[in-house]
This record gives sequence, structure tokens and C-alpha cells, in this order.
Amino acid sequence: DIQMTQSPSTLSASVGDRVIITCRASQSISSWLAWYQQKPGKAPKLLIHKASGLESGVPSRFSGSGSGTEFSLTINSLQPDDFAIYYCQHYKSYPYTFGQGTKLEIK
Amino acid sequence: EGQLLESGGGLVQPGGSLRLSCAASGFTFDTYAMTWVRQAPGKGLEWVSTISGSGATTYYADSVKGRFTVSRDNSKNTLFLQLIGLRVEDTALYYCAKGGYSYDLWGQGTLVTVSS
Repeated sequence: DIQMTQSPSTLSASVGDRVIITCRASQSISSWLAWYQQKPGKAPKLLIHKASGLESGVPSRFSGSGSGTEFSLTINSLQPDDFAIYYCQHYKSYPYTFGQGTKLEIK
Repeated sequence: EGQLLESGGGLVQPGGSLRLSCAASGFTFDTYAMTWVRQAPGKGLEWVSTISGSGATTYYADSVKGRFTVSRDNSKNTLFLQLIGLRVEDTALYYCAKGGYSYDLWGQGTLVTVSS
């Protein structure tokens, strides 16, 4: 099985900051990676598909990059609404797995 | 667009069974694979199962293989997950999600609690 490891587990930042969350796959997954945002008590929301494809309706301050085993989610100019938990997920081969999550909290 | 609405969760004893449902609307249901993802209390997301649009092909996480069965009724735009032999570690919020790769639409989840 392919393991996904996110870092950091927790990230403290301020409104207006630029933050980067990384996700590493235990083997190459090409660009078969998605990023999700989850707020407390809510279902996850798809932000990025195929490593860098911005989902419709997602603000352009979110961007994804990477291929192979190293990926990143960048959020430019953090907004109050962005404080949440972020998950990466590969879909290279079954079983699809998620990273353990990165909690983005207000500094 | 679209909407997914899960139901069928509840409290069940270890070894018990449940059938979860997910009613879909607002998109052409039978053209999309559908997926179940679960989240234990305070924990991360775990992929559980995926079924193709026709229902002919299914995939399961090792942790549920042989105990859970995914199915769909395309005439009723409904996805199902049959859970048998439930264990304490199956306690989670079960989400249905649209898609077989990345998931662009999620329900609000139905809570399954396995406890004696």
C-alpha cells in the first residue's frame, strides 16, 4: 500500500501569511493527488485534483504542485476562513489513502 | 452541483449489522463511481470502498473486506453500504462521496457507533 505523510501536523499562522503544506508518498504516484479542506463538523471539500488542478469555485489563493512523491499545497494571503484541517489523498492504485492531516491554526 | 444524503447509522453491538444508504440528487448518478469514506471520532479520513457507475466493479479497504458490501440502485439514485460483523474500531462517521478518484461532492455523513 502507498503511504501518505503530511508535514507539518500542525501549522500556526496569521491572516495574510503564505503557508505551505507538504505531502510525501511512499512511492511514485505521478500526479494522482488531491487536496481537501475540512472544517469542524463539516464534510471535507475538494480543493485540488491531479496535484495542481484547482477545483471550480475554490479561491485562486490555493495552489498545488508536485509530482512523483513530493507534493505541496500553498495558500497565499491566508484568510480567516482558511483555518481548518487539510488532507492529501492519492489515487494511483487501490487502496487509496489519505495523509494524516495538517491542522492550520491561528497564531 | 448535486447533493448526497446519508442515512442508516446508529448504535449497534459488536458483531451486529447495519445498512447505510446515500441518496443522490442533482447529477446523473449512474455515470459516476461512488465512494464511502469514514472518519473515526477525532481522527483522519479513511477510504472504505468504491463502486463503479454500473455497479459491476467494487473495491474495498483491507480493514473491511469480507465484512462490508457496497452496492447501488441506479434506478433510485441510491448508494448502499452493508456492514456486518461490526467491530468497535468501525465506529466512525461514514461519508458517501461522488467520484472514483478525487471526490468533488460529499454528504454530511451518518454516524455508526459500535459498542456493548
